[in-house]
Amino acid sequence: AQTVTQSQPEMSVQEAETVTLSCTYDTSESNYYLFWYKQPPSRQMILVIRQEAYKQQNATENRFSVNFQKAAKSFSLKISDSQLGDTAMYFCAFFLGNQFYFGTGTSLTVIP
Amino acid sequence: DVKVTQSSRYLVKRTGEKVFLECVQDMDHENMFWYRQDPGLGLRLIYFSYDVKMKEKGDIPEGYSVSREKKERFSLILESASTNQTSMYLCASSFYGLAENNEQFFGPGTRLTVL
Repeated sequence: AQTVTQSQPEMSVQEAETVTLSCTYDTSESNYYLFWYKQPPSRQMILVIRQEAYKQQNATENRFSVNFQKAAKSFSLKISDSQLGDTAMYFCAFFLGNQFYFGTGTSLTVIP
Repeated sequence: DVKVTQSSRYLVKRTGEKVFLECVQDMDHENMFWYRQDPGLGLRLIYFSYDVKMKEKGDIPEGYSVSREKKERFSLILESASTNQTSMYLCASSFYGLAENNEQFFGPGTRLTVL
């Protein structure tokens, strides 16, 4: 079975600072995809960033980047220059065999 | 833009009622999913479908059923609603299989309260 673990239920960061959200996963497969999704308060879940397991280069999308450590099965999300609009629930997800597996989420609050 | 829509944002039902939650997507996605979202538990998969009239049980199918008569529409049915089914229900869709551009697109969610 595939599992995704987010060990930080809640985090906070000062505006303009950098924060890192942790995610670990467990699988015996070698080819898969990893995602970070963002769910703002009372708003729709949207994709933040995606990483393909066979690519060693870490994905980057503007202020969002990942630290993908395949051997350690770790996939953390770094948010640089945090903005108030980054306040949201963040879910780490793993895709394999036509199915997505989600972590329990990290609630991030950006403090003005 | 991909759109996944859900029939209601908020729904209040009584114990024992039959409840229908509907989801429609406009991207010709093969896969459609129903999740339940509860604080501290994240997203838990109830059912998914990879084709019309096909369905697969997820992690928590008990007390739920689904229907997919058309590719764009996926319905979640609570045959006899119970208070422990009070939750946020999220619908999602994606293309089939492992592909470079694959991702799940989510609807806005339905917050169901069962009294």
